[in-house]
Amino acid sequence: QITLKESGPTLVKATQTLTLTCTFSGFSLSTSGVGVGWVRLAPGKALEWLTLIYWDDDKRYSPSLKSRLTITRDTSKNQAVLRLTNMDPVDTATYYCAHTHVDLWPTPLFDYWGQGTLVTVSS
Amino acid sequence: QSVLTQPPSVSGAPGQRVTISCTGSSSNIGAGHDVHWYQQLPGTAPKLLIYGNNNRPSGVSDRFSGSKPGTSASLAISGLQAEDEADYYCQSYDSTLRGCVFGGGTKLTVL
Repeated sequence: QITLKESGPTLVKATQTLTLTCTFSGFSLSTSGVGVGWVRLAPGKALEWLTLIYWDDDKRYSPSLKSRLTITRDTSKNQAVLRLTNMDPVDTATYYCAHTHVDLWPTPLFDYWGQGTLVTVSS
Repeated sequence: QSVLTQPPSVSGAPGQRVTISCTGSSSNIGAGHDVHWYQQLPGTAPKLLIYGNNNRPSGVSDRFSGSKPGTSASLAISGLQAEDEADYYCQSYDSTLRGCVFGGGTKLTVL
């Protein structure tokens, strides 16, 4: 059974760096084909894909946030960590991590999601 | 402004059929990348509803169906039920952006 859970601060100040951890079970990020992605949902906005890391440490970033984003993995802890620098109130959102696998479909998709964590950025 | 365009809202009475469109461009849907659909009920995480344009994951009702004619895709929901009231998002891949892209989301209201 695959589960994912996001953890991290619920409140950060503008200009600070946000670090969120996705802790998962039921799969390993060292298994061929596996990936973990991050998606956010800002109030009144649409889902926005942020980043994706694969089993081979291949990393993909949203072009609009690439300069501020870093994704890493800790296979021993079954975790994927997102860092977003220079936070701004517009980054206030619910942040989700999600599982993917290259064999699911040629076009990346997310089949299991965490419950999400709301991060508020104060000015 | 989302890369994939969806109508902001659709509505229908119980039992009716509604469709939600998802329009892309030559760098995503038009480039041959497939479309996936997610349902997001209020206060919950997105749920994979349709993958690969027209495939349903195990456990998803056959009232939901998808299609992908050309540079657009479409989600159809038949036999509308109150529990279908949610936000629906399409998702694909963009070759130019080299990443996943979502639609702007469509809020379905069951009258």
